[in-house]
Amino acid sequence: EVQLVESGGGLVQPGQSLRLSCTGSGFTFGDYAMSWFRQAPGKGLEWVSFIKSNAYGGTADYAASVRGRFIVSRDDSGSIAYLQMNSLKTEDTAVYYCTRALWLDLLVHPFDYWGQGTLVTVSS
Amino acid sequence: DIQMTQSPSTLSASVGDRVTITCRASQSISSWLAWYQQKPGKAPKLLIYKASSLESGVPSRFSGSGSGTEFTLTITSLQPDDFATYYCQQYNSNPWTFGQGAKVEIK
Repeated sequence: EVQLVESGGGLVQPGQSLRLSCTGSGFTFGDYAMSWFRQAPGKGLEWVSFIKSNAYGGTADYAASVRGRFIVSRDDSGSIAYLQMNSLKTEDTAVYYCTRALWLDLLVHPFDYWGQGTLVTVSS
Repeated sequence: DIQMTQSPSTLSASVGDRVTITCRASQSISSWLAWYQQKPGKAPKLLIYKASSLESGVPSRFSGSGSGTEFTLTITSLQPDDFATYYCQQYNSNPWTFGQGAKVEIK
């Protein structure tokens, strides 16, 4: 059974950092691109970041709202994706979800499995 | 960025009804469109990808159609488990963007 489990959320003050983890199981983690989305309280869904599989260079991309502050990485040996969030702002408050996708030179099969989400609250 | 607009934002329906939700893209996205269902406190669930392909395990009462800039999600006979919020998402180009959501409520 495919599972994605996020961890690392919590309450932090503006300007602080937090690292989220996403542990995958039930599939060959290294074959998939991984992506992070977020959902602010009572709001819609927003894409945050994406990292391709190493077979496609392991390159990453970011939403403009987090570019330069967030860094996505992956450890295929441990089946974990990370989201390092720096210089956090109050507007980063949201539930953060990790997902997987099949990337073969293009996104052939989008986000079919999602984690349960982890809440990040940025507040003074 | 490609803007995605869903209509209606809220829909009241009864069990057994046929329900249609529309999603419009601000520019052509070919067929690179997905539909998700989300229930309160839960992660989104992929229903449809590539505009009309049914995700494995999703009931056949869900269907998608369209290409270019206009798309629809249809539920042929609404079931109690279908009351939820539905989002469309384009994955034609980064940043991948969502519609604002369409909430299907019990009439």
